[in-house]
Amino acid sequence: DAGVIQSPRHEVTEMGQEVTLRCKPISGHNSLFWYRQTMMRGLELLIYFNNNVPIDDSGMPEDRFSAKMPNASFSTLKIQPSEPRDSAVYFCASSLVAGDAFFGQGTRLTVV
Amino acid sequence: QQQVKQSPQSLIVQKGGISIINCAYENTAFDYFPWYQQFPGKGPALLIAIRPDVSEKKEGRFTISFNKSAKQFSLHIMDSQPGDSATYFCAAAERGRGGGNKLTFGTGTQLKVEL
Repeated sequence: DAGVIQSPRHEVTEMGQEVTLRCKPISGHNSLFWYRQTMMRGLELLIYFNNNVPIDDSGMPEDRFSAKMPNASFSTLKIQPSEPRDSAVYFCASSLVAGDAFFGQGTRLTVV
Repeated sequence: QQQVKQSPQSLIVQKGGISIINCAYENTAFDYFPWYQQFPGKGPALLIAIRPDVSEKKEGRFTISFNKSAKQFSLHIMDSQPGDSATYFCAAAERGRGGGNKLTFGTGTQLKVEL
């Protein structure tokens, strides 16, 4: 199994632009999580899905952030418009509902 | 709100020594406590996990000690090796309340093992 696959690995964008991060979970996993990692705030859960349905989005910082999971093998996290304070590493993780979570390699986002 | 407190922030250990990282939690509904290891440029990787019905779990050189009454748990790395140099995160989840892997992470400990 290739593990959780995220793309792109690095993204540099200008303030105000739309950014879309992508995630392919491990096949067969039915839970998907988006985390954000910064020096100041550490690892924060943004949103998670069970069986493609958003369960808890209380960690999504603002309306500028949105996440979708159109099917069991794909999810996106979109930031529109992006701001410099959104610069961070964004991780996607997947698991079976009662299993352990496996993380992707992350997307390093820089908003200039 | 910091629900999982982790210490120390950084740790330097000599090769062959024991590395000890501590975590404390507040939410008594937490019932699953994993530790993750993260190398630079990589995602966190599950190292070992414990449930509160046991006081200790050992996997190779890695041991979790759990004190339910004190709401504390710790990671011990025996015979620490330079390859163990990484950032370690403790975490907690409320699996019994359907929280699945909705993990609350500690702030991380940067471990360096010197020769």
